[in-house]
Amino acid sequence: GESVGLHLPTLSVQEGDNSIINCAYSNSASDYFIWYKQESGKGPQFIIDIRSNMDKRQGQRVTVLLNKTVKHLSLQIAATQPGDSAVYFCAENISHAGNMLTFGGGTRLMVKP
Amino acid sequence: DTGVSQDPRHKITKRGQNVTFRCDPISEHNRLYWYRQTLGQGPEFLTYFQNEAQLEKSRLLSDRFSAERPKGSFSTLEIQRTEQGDSAMYLCASSLDPGEQFFGPGTRLTVL
Repeated sequence: GESVGLHLPTLSVQEGDNSIINCAYSNSASDYFIWYKQESGKGPQFIIDIRSNMDKRQGQRVTVLLNKTVKHLSLQIAATQPGDSAVYFCAENISHAGNMLTFGGGTRLMVKP
Repeated sequence: DTGVSQDPRHKITKRGQNVTFRCDPISEHNRLYWYRQTLGQGPEFLTYFQNEAQLEKSRLLSDRFSAERPKGSFSTLEIQRTEQGDSAMYLCASSLDPGEQFFGPGTRLTVL
């Protein structure tokens, strides 16, 4: 079936650099996208979301970009810090279909001091 | 703390036993979700409630699984006759209508 996926299973960056985590989705009916951060032994933590009527949304140190033409989502983290080390998941949702989230397989971000 | 809570955090059981997990959502959140997560994978949707009504169930939810939310507040997820393949992290999330889902810390189940 259609699912959300990620290109890179592990991303290693230097502290202070910018990080970019990518995600491809295949369900063209999805209209809501979310990035979650998950630290070991914890549940996913909401980072930022974006609806399909937007192509960019900024938060504190994070930016999400949505390219509906190629069904691509990215998460940019500015000035990456050791506390950003975690697994990042993108998730998609069809908002009129019950708000169930379909998650991708995750990217592990490792920040080197 | 007003976040989503789950109990127990860890459960070890023998194959064939029944287990029950509890989730307490954020108060006033009318939607409650159960997901299952295996190591290295993203969470997979199991079922969700709007208030006390169970509105959607995944095909992953076999007949050995049952979930309830009797008063529209806390929820329980029961697994009967556990199998080794049931070993996973069981996550609960809640939201206020369609919106950001807040996840609990999960219950890690190990079936021996």
